[in-house]
Amino acid sequence: GAVVSQHPSWVICKSGTSVKIECRSLDFQATTMFWYRQFPKQSLMLMATSNEGSKATYEQGVEKDKFLINHASLTLSTLTVTSAHPEDSSFYICSARDRTTPSYEQYFGPGTRLTVT
Amino acid sequence: AQTVTQSQPEMSVQEAETVTLSCTYDTSENNYYLFWYKQPPSRQMILVIRQEAYKQQNATENRFSVNFQKAAKSFSLKISDSQLGDTAMYFCAFMKPFPRDDKIIFGKGTRLHILP
Repeated sequence: GAVVSQHPSWVICKSGTSVKIECRSLDFQATTMFWYRQFPKQSLMLMATSNEGSKATYEQGVEKDKFLINHASLTLSTLTVTSAHPEDSSFYICSARDRTTPSYEQYFGPGTRLTVT
Repeated sequence: AQTVTQSQPEMSVQEAETVTLSCTYDTSENNYYLFWYKQPPSRQMILVIRQEAYKQQNATENRFSVNFQKAAKSFSLKISDSQLGDTAMYFCAFMKPFPRDDKIIFGKGTRLHILP
């Protein structure tokens, strides 16, 4: 199956700093990528949808100036958490799909654990 | 807006037994997909099984099968001959296919423990 990677797998940063998380599709072209947030023992909450070459669409309640998403190529999307605070500590998961194919399947990355101290 | 409800936060069964996880959803759409995802302790999301709403036949993948009741908006997962490796969080999920928005909406999950 298709593979999606995320980097880093775990990051610790200080409050007030920014941190970037990468999501890469390794063997297919990801026209669309999705970013999720997951708190401990909770479900995945969709944060935003990004399409290659265009601005991301954020879900209601998600601060677009805080969670900057860039999808500059067909294999890479990045999520930057700006001016991070302890409440931003969470598990962030990306998924990707190729909308040019009839496949409906989304492929999930392994996730990134963010801890803000 | 679509919603997905999983009414069983946690379940435990003995190894080799059969277990059924419940899921209901709400939508006004006629064409959509339903999924069951597994999230083991590694937290990697794994697709277990999928169902296209336009197909009446219930999907089956080895030991995993679903009972899809479209009119009742019910989508339960049956795991037969459960194994220790089935211990995980299971999420029921809904998606409207592209060109709608193909966003996956997840239920709150059911934590399944398979006991030796």
